[in-house]
Amino acid sequence: ETGVTQSPTHLIKTRGQQVTLRCSSQSGHNTVSWYQQALGQGPQFIFQYYREEENGRGNFPPRFSGLQFPNYSSELNVNALELDDSALYLCASSSGQGNSYNSPLHFGNGTRLTVT
Amino acid sequence: QKEVEQDPGPLSVPEGAIVSLNCTYSNSAFQYFMWYRQYSRKGPELLMYTYSSGNKEDGRFTAQVDKSSKYISLFIRDSQPSDSATYLCAMSFSGNTPLVFGKGTRLSVIA
Repeated sequence: ETGVTQSPTHLIKTRGQQVTLRCSSQSGHNTVSWYQQALGQGPQFIFQYYREEENGRGNFPPRFSGLQFPNYSSELNVNALELDDSALYLCASSSGQGNSYNSPLHFGNGTRLTVT
Repeated sequence: QKEVEQDPGPLSVPEGAIVSLNCTYSNSAFQYFMWYRQYSRKGPELLMYTYSSGNKEDGRFTAQVDKSSKYISLFIRDSQPSDSATYLCAMSFSGNTPLVFGKGTRLSVIA
């Protein structure tokens, strides 16, 4: 049990809408990362937060945004949804500053987003 | 050329077989190498984490890193039906940089 929970598990949205996905990390996990996993692909890095500040971003447009809260929860927001945004969105957290050997990232089970 | 290449399979083996899973990569700056297992409708679960070149063993699993060839492997001994899953390789430049994943290899172990 990794202690990373995500909600909702499934979501269906229409193109152009906005969506908020939520993640709850273990107490003491200061780093949270979000990844997008399209069907049949490996996860792709969206962004990372450390102590409520964004400290890394992948090749995703600004309509992907996030927040990390002091209670170890975080959000991923996506505006102006496109069909290609359909994917499994994974949240991962660690107690260190990133993904070190002593404090590796642990993933939640993801939110499956379908955009129609 | 993608940064990390991984044969997607599917790979089907009989129970008890030795399984070999592999990834190649193009950027020699990668220093940290991981293998994740992902069951259907679940998130990736960390199996092995190695730094730089060498071997690491954990139970039935052995991870190998050959930085000179830019090649990493995961061996599973005495494979079990419960090992049926998608195996993802991942790597990063440091402990603070994002993970770069392969596509994953889907493995089926047949009883």
